[in-house]
Amino acid sequence: EDQVTQSPEALRLQEGESSSLNCSYTVSGLRGLFWYRQDPGKGPEFLFTLYSAGEEKEKERLKATLTKKESFLHITAPKPEDSATYLCAVQVNDYKLSFGAGTTVTVRA
Amino acid sequence: NAGVTQTPKFRILKIGQSMTLQCAQDMNHNYMYWYRQDPGMGLKLIYYSVGAGITDKGEVPNGYNVSRSTTEDFPLRLELAAPSQTSVYFCASIDRGGLAGEETQYFGPGTRLLVL
Repeated sequence: EDQVTQSPEALRLQEGESSSLNCSYTVSGLRGLFWYRQDPGKGPEFLFTLYSAGEEKEKERLKATLTKKESFLHITAPKPEDSATYLCAVQVNDYKLSFGAGTTVTVRA
Repeated sequence: NAGVTQTPKFRILKIGQSMTLQCAQDMNHNYMYWYRQDPGMGLKLIYYSVGAGITDKGEVPNGYNVSRSTTEDFPLRLELAAPSQTSVYFCASIDRGGLAGEETQYFGPGTRLLVL
């Protein structure tokens, strides 16, 4: 059975304190790994798609990386507006995404 | 583009009542999805559609039905609502990225459903 595990469940950071979120997965065949940001009361917002080990993508203070067993979302010098829940999902076939439970990040000024 | 829209935003149902959650997208995406999100859990796939007239079950389809008569609309029907269906429901569609092949999944704002 496909499994996606995100850690930690919650992360409290001081503004400017860089950190990383982890998404580990056990799937029969990875077609892609997605990262999303979700604000309270809203739908997930797409951030990145990674397709192969070694791939990296960046957007502002966020950088996503992928290995054969896990992905990391690095937050560099975070600001309070980076506070959100970050979700990862793996695509195992043409239609199905399996989601992790998310990491809730709180950045204090 | 309005993107993915969902109505209603919030609804309270009594046990045994039925309702339809509406979802529409104006991006001409073929793939559309319904998920539910429970506190502390990942999104679970209820149903999906690969195009008008084609639907299939996801991980948690029991108690739900869908139809896809047009590319734009993908309503989710709850028959005989139960407290276990209390959740937040998200509709989504996928852009296959054309020649680049990169996929982007767009989500609606969600419908919060409370069954009492």
